[in-house]
Amino acid sequence: AQSVTQPDIHITVSEGASLELRCNYSYGATPYLFWYVQSPGQGLQLLLKYFSGDTLVQGIKGFEAEFKRSQSSFNLRKPSVHWSDAAEYFCILSFSNTGKLIFGQGTTLQVKP
Amino acid sequence: DADVTQTPRNRITKTGKRIMLECSQTKGHDRMYWYRQDPGLGLRLIYYSFDVKDINKGEISDGYSVSRQAQAKFSLSLESAIPNQTALYFCATSDSDWGTEAFFGQGTRLTVV
Repeated sequence: AQSVTQPDIHITVSEGASLELRCNYSYGATPYLFWYVQSPGQGLQLLLKYFSGDTLVQGIKGFEAEFKRSQSSFNLRKPSVHWSDAAEYFCILSFSNTGKLIFGQGTTLQVKP
Repeated sequence: DADVTQTPRNRITKTGKRIMLECSQTKGHDRMYWYRQDPGLGLRLIYYSFDVKDINKGEISDGYSVSRQAQAKFSLSLESAIPNQTALYFCATSDSDWGTEAFFGQGTRLTVV
């Protein structure tokens, strides 16, 4: 069955430090994969997406993600975290032409001054 | 103006009451979705609609119903609210092409007491 796992429920990093949020998926074919961010009291905003082509994807706000088929992973990275990056991050799989999305559990990022 | 607007933003209702959550979008998309968010569970699909005449159940449709009044409007009803329907509800819309970005409303926080 299709699934998305975000192993880390909460992560705390210091401002200026690098960040990596993990995402693993289960799907038999090439998936569409997304990272969305949910700031407090806000809806979800797309950071980046991957379907094919270059496995390193650049997104907004300085984020990037790398698709690794051999590891079934799509980890999100940022070289230097800002306090405004504190939010909840969702890795999402789209697996059919229905447009239905399967969400990971989410990772809450806290940024220390 | 927001691409996807949900009303109300917050609502407290009593057990057994009927309540309707409304969603409208200005993206001109055919596809609309209702999700609920619970801590640690990500977002789960309640109902989705590909066009005005095509409505489908999601993974957790029991206790909910929907109405697609127009391409731009998709409402979610709780016929007889119960406390475990207390959650954050999101409406979303997407284009018909597979893998395109989904646009989310800001959410409706519903509390059933």
